[in-house]
This record gives sequence, C-alpha cells and structure tokens, in this order.
Amino acid sequence: DTAVSQTPKYLVTQMGNDKSIKCEQNLGHDTMYWYKQDSKKFLKIMFSYNNKELIINETVPNRFSPKSPDKAHLNLHINSLELGDSAVYFCASSQVTGLGGAFFGQGTRLTVV
Amino acid sequence: EDKVVQSPLSLVVHEGDTVTLNCSYEVTNFRSLLWYKQEKKAPTFLFMLTSSGIEKKSGRLSSILDKKELFSILNITATQTGDSAVYLCAVSSNFGNEKLTFGTGTRLTIIP
Repeated sequence: DTAVSQTPKYLVTQMGNDKSIKCEQNLGHDTMYWYKQDSKKFLKIMFSYNNKELIINETVPNRFSPKSPDKAHLNLHINSLELGDSAVYFCASSQVTGLGGAFFGQGTRLTVV
Repeated sequence: EDKVVQSPLSLVVHEGDTVTLNCSYEVTNFRSLLWYKQEKKAPTFLFMLTSSGIEKKSGRLSSILDKKELFSILNITATQTGDSAVYLCAVSSNFGNEKLTFGTGTRLTIIP
C-alpha cells in the first residue's frame, strides 16, 4: 500500500487555468504538508496542516488554496496558473511531533504552457 | 529566516570510494536534522538526528550531528552506483508546528 499518494503524477495545462492536486496518506499521521520543488531541485515548504487546521502558510500567493477535508487528505487547488508555477509539488505527512521525519508522496510534475 | 547550506553542491567519485557530505544550518528552535535521499522521485528518509555526537548508522551510511557548531555530516563508505542521487539535508524547527527547511542538496554521482 502506498503511504502517501498524490494524483495526478503529471499535469500539463495552459496559463490561466485552474487545477487541483489531490493527496492522501494512510499512515495515520496528524500533519500534512505541501512542498514545491523548483527546477534547481530546491524543496520549499508551502503549507502545513495539523488535524485539518492550517498551521503554516509560507508566503504563497493567494492563488494557491489548500483544503483538508479530513486529516488523511490535503488537496491543493491552484487558480489562474502562471508559467512560474511549473514545478514538482510534493505532498508529505508526519506525526505531530515530527520525530519520524516526513514521508513524501511521489510528486506531481506541473507544467504550465 | 531559517537557513540550511549543503556542500559540496555536486560530487563525482568512483565506485568503492568513501564520501562525506556536509550540512550546516541556522535555525531558531532547532528540533532535529534529517537526511533524505532523492533519486528520480520522492525524497526517502534516511536519518533523523537530535543529539550531538551520537552516530546514526545504516549499512554503509552513517551520520552525526554537532549542535554546538551547527552542522552534520553524512558518510557513505564503499560507494555503489545505486548510491547516485541527490542527498538532502533538512532541519526541523518548532515554528508553531513541524516545519522542515531544506538545503539545496548534494548531487552525488558514482562512476562504475
């Protein structure tokens, strides 16, 4: 069973469109995250949710809106996509204490054309 | 702002060599330092270090943390081509909740 799963794996879309990426974890973790990895492979946190509550929002544009219907799911909706949004987006989860490290999903490669 | 710096940025060695990867950090409310290996897809967890001077070991990989000098090293002995990957260092800070700040990674290439 996949611990942290994201869909879709690849997403190619035109500028100005709205798209969503879904994430689910079956590890029973309390905390979920979205990370963005740019073309230089730099991983940067975007959001953190703990038990459906937004904890961290790292100066991400308002066009990005995470939604957590329950603690096992954290979806990312992006409005009015821009070229600079092209990146790999990783979902991750961890226990609230974070002592086990974060487990990452396989990533969603978003390409905006 | 929290900062994690890794060196070297890239490293090319021959199979069988030993390598040392470095990670230095400046964070508020340090909780732990983590090492990840990223091949083509998701980063996979290697080690978590919380205490200075205690080596964590897994096979040919080992890591140690120095909280006084604010750095960690990751050693890989008898390298194999399967060790080729980007190795990421991240620091966890108690920024209200769990938050990982990543370095830019070290790209390790093992030549057969």
